[in-house]
Amino acid sequence: DSGVTQTPKHLITATGQRVTLRCSPRSGDLSVYWYQQSLDQGLQFLIQYYNGEERAKGNILERFSAQQFPDLHSELNLSSLELGDSALYFCASSVAGVNEQFFGPGTRLTVL
Amino acid sequence: GQQLNQSPQSMFIQEGEDVSMNCTSSSIFNTWLWYKQDPGEGPVLLIALYKAGELTSNGRLTAQFGITRKDSFLNISASIPSDVGIYFCAGQEWTSGTYKYIFGTGTRLKVLA
Repeated sequence: DSGVTQTPKHLITATGQRVTLRCSPRSGDLSVYWYQQSLDQGLQFLIQYYNGEERAKGNILERFSAQQFPDLHSELNLSSLELGDSALYFCASSVAGVNEQFFGPGTRLTVL
Repeated sequence: GQQLNQSPQSMFIQEGEDVSMNCTSSSIFNTWLWYKQDPGEGPVLLIALYKAGELTSNGRLTAQFGITRKDSFLNISASIPSDVGIYFCAGQEWTSGTYKYIFGTGTRLKVLA
């Protein structure tokens, strides 16, 4: 158990809908990262937050957004969902922005 | 999106054999990380490397940060069935005024008992 929690574990929705994925980092970790992993693919970095502020952006679509709250949990919002958005979404956390990351168990999103 | 070149893509080995995999990049990295991912689970950190030339071990695992800072390798000695999974390398680079993390394409390891 990495100490990073993600909810929900599974999510099934329809095209055009909007969903919110939630992540709670390890106790004491200030940085949160979001990744997308499509079937049999590597991990694509989406976005990083550090202590509530956006720190780095990867290949995140404009339909996606994220935020980190004062209690350091983070949410990833996915809107106008398309079939191609079906994937595993991982959250990771680290103590600071340059240390090793610890991953949560992921949320499996299926868009029908 | 940008990914590291990781090889081999997959490998089947006999239990007890040693395994070697590597990652190469066209960019210089400040940090190399190696992760293992089991099906349906999140990646688990195996080894972190912070300095060029650094050689670090974690049990049967050994990883090195290449001198050029553009490559890294991971060795697994005396493989066992529970070593099966996907191994990812990840590099941290400084670009556009911030750090970014790039993951390799993964090496799928299957161990035959």
